[in-house]
Amino acid sequence: DIQMTQSPSSLSASVGDRVTITCQASQDISNYLNWYQQKPGKAPKLLIYDASNLETGVPSRFSGSGSGTDFTFTISSLQPEDIATYYCQQYDNLPLSTFGPGTKVDIK
Amino acid sequence: EVQLVESGGGLVQPGRSLRLSCTASGFTFGDYAMSWVRQAPGKGLEWVGFIRSKAYGGTTEYAASVKGRFTISRDDSKSIAYLQMNSLKTEDTAVYYCTRGAKEQWLVFDYWGQGTLVTVSS
Repeated sequence: DIQMTQSPSSLSASVGDRVTITCQASQDISNYLNWYQQKPGKAPKLLIYDASNLETGVPSRFSGSGSGTDFTFTISSLQPEDIATYYCQQYDNLPLSTFGPGTKVDIK
Repeated sequence: EVQLVESGGGLVQPGRSLRLSCTASGFTFGDYAMSWVRQAPGKGLEWVGFIRSKAYGGTTEYAASVKGRFTISRDDSKSIAYLQMNSLKTEDTAVYYCTRGAKEQWLVFDYWGQGTLVTVSS
């Protein structure tokens, strides 16, 4: 099975800061990597699909990059409404899919 | 507007069964794969399984942790997906989310329901 790791597990940053989260797969998953945002008490929301494609309606301060085993998720200018836990998800190993453990983002 | 509404959660004893429903609206249900994703209290997300659209055979796939115990089915005439959970264990306690797979990308979850809590306890 493909294992997903994320780092850091949590971070605190100031409003306006650039925030970067990394996700690593235990084997090559090409670009079959998605990013989700989950606010407390809410269902997750798709932000980025296929590593770098912004889902419709998602603000452009969110971006993703990478391929193979190493991926990056970036918030270019952190906003108060971005407080959430962010998860990566691989779906290369069809029919199975796995999520990363999540990164909790707080405002400093 | 796409909407997914889960129902059927609750408290159940270990070893018993429970069936969850996901009622969809706002899109042509039969054209999409549907997945279930769960989240244990205070934990991360775990993909449970999915069912392909009838165009792709309506077949199902499951995570190893639930294979043989859980069954996903669909009724396209009613726009409902089901998750039948048998032989429940305490570790199945979680919020269960119904998700829609993006067109032709079955495991890109572009819409989620609000979730329904399943508690397995004696």
